[in-house]
Amino acid sequence: QSALTQPASVSGSPGQSITISCTGTSSDVGGYNYVSWYQQHPGKAPKLMIYDVSNRPSGVSNRFSGSKSGNTASLTISGLQAEDEADYYCSSYTSSSTHYVFGTGTKVTVL
Amino acid sequence: QVQLQESGPGLVKPSGTLSLTCAVSGGSISSSNWWSWIRQPPGKGLEWIGEIYHSGSTNYNPSLKSRVTISVDKSKNQFSLKLSSVTAADTAVYYCASGYSSSWWYWGQGTLVTVSS
Repeated sequence: QSALTQPASVSGSPGQSITISCTGTSSDVGGYNYVSWYQQHPGKAPKLMIYDVSNRPSGVSNRFSGSKSGNTASLTISGLQAEDEADYYCSSYTSSSTHYVFGTGTKVTVL
Repeated sequence: QVQLQESGPGLVKPSGTLSLTCAVSGGSISSSNWWSWIRQPPGKGLEWIGEIYHSGSTNYNPSLKSRVTISVDKSKNQFSLKLSSVTAADTAVYYCASGYSSSWWYWGQGTLVTVSS
């Protein structure tokens, strides 16, 4: 089971919107609505930002939104802020024996 | 609010066994959550190792299955990871995590385990 494909880096200016893609297959992203997104600041544990493709846990800013089309999921951060600078990982349930697969990770830089 | 705390040796010799424990507070390990171990080699991405339910049912990453054992101790409200025959490739920050709906809602702070003689 290969990792889900994410762009290595995405950047934007404060106030702008950016979108991170997460591409898998019909056995994972495309086959189930079990895509989640995690934010990880350096030296810290990941934090759940989106679950079940587009749902936000309580306490997560509504500037973060998720969606899916076919085998590709996306995380959009609107009104980009300096505190959003971090690594972001997607994850999906997979029908393969691996059960869960993570994305390759995307470093978000706020210019 | 569930809180998780990993503990265990930070240094393991090659060919030895890595052993970590995750203490659960603020909630019961007998809840409907699955309890997972996830690792992250330095400077690299996340890798799911495996999970356990309070009943003892387990799922493992096939790439590690032959070397991994995850167990639960309901009396101590904790679960554990054992990874045998370790090599330098097993050097990583190991996280315990928990959640539902195929997502991890709660994470420990992580513990770095280095495999070296």
